[in-house]
Amino acid sequence: QVQLVESGGGVVQPGGSLRLSCAASGFTFSLYGMNWVRQAPGKGLEWVALIRNDASNKYYADSVKGRFTISRDYSKNTLSLQMNSLRAEDTAVYYCAKGRIAVDGSMDYWGQGTLVTVSS
Amino acid sequence: DIQMTQSPSSLSASVGDRVTITCQASQDISNHLNWYQQKPGKAPKVLIYDASNLGTGVPSRFSGSGSGTDFTFTINSLQPEDIATYYCQQYDKLPPYTFGQGTKLEIK
Repeated sequence: QVQLVESGGGVVQPGGSLRLSCAASGFTFSLYGMNWVRQAPGKGLEWVALIRNDASNKYYADSVKGRFTISRDYSKNTLSLQMNSLRAEDTAVYYCAKGRIAVDGSMDYWGQGTLVTVSS
Repeated sequence: DIQMTQSPSSLSASVGDRVTITCQASQDISNHLNWYQQKPGKAPKVLIYDASNLGTGVPSRFSGSGSGTDFTFTINSLQPEDIATYYCQQYDKLPPYTFGQGTKLEIK
């Protein structure tokens, strides 16, 4: 069965960096686009980034462009999100979510999320 | 960017009621729309994909319809376990993918 397990969250000071990981299993990782979606405390869902199945294209929300980098490691079936220059407004639960085949933005499986808190 | 306007933002209904949530896109998105259910402290779960297709293992009391800019999500015969927040999300063409603001559903 499909499993997505995020890790790497924690408390970081404004301006700091953090790297999130998502371990994927139960499906052929190289066939699917992968997304990061976040949810600030008590707020709605916000799409953050997408990486295509072959890593040929990467897309970002304007709110994180130039600060966050999405990547994937096929040897480890792992999705990553490098977050730099963190701001208080980046505080959120971050979910990795698998796209459907050839429909990257239709997210059919989600991890349990990892909490990132940006605070001094 | 495509904006998704979801209504209502909250809803109170009785067990057995029929519940309807709407979502309007700021431009034509064909049928590229999902509906998700999120329970407190949990990850979202897809209920409906491509506007009207039921997700794997999702009870048949859930349904979706619409195409273009106007979409509807319905729960027939509300059950206590349906208490959650529901989101629509569009995935037409290239990102950014956008979500509706959410509808918090409570039992009356």
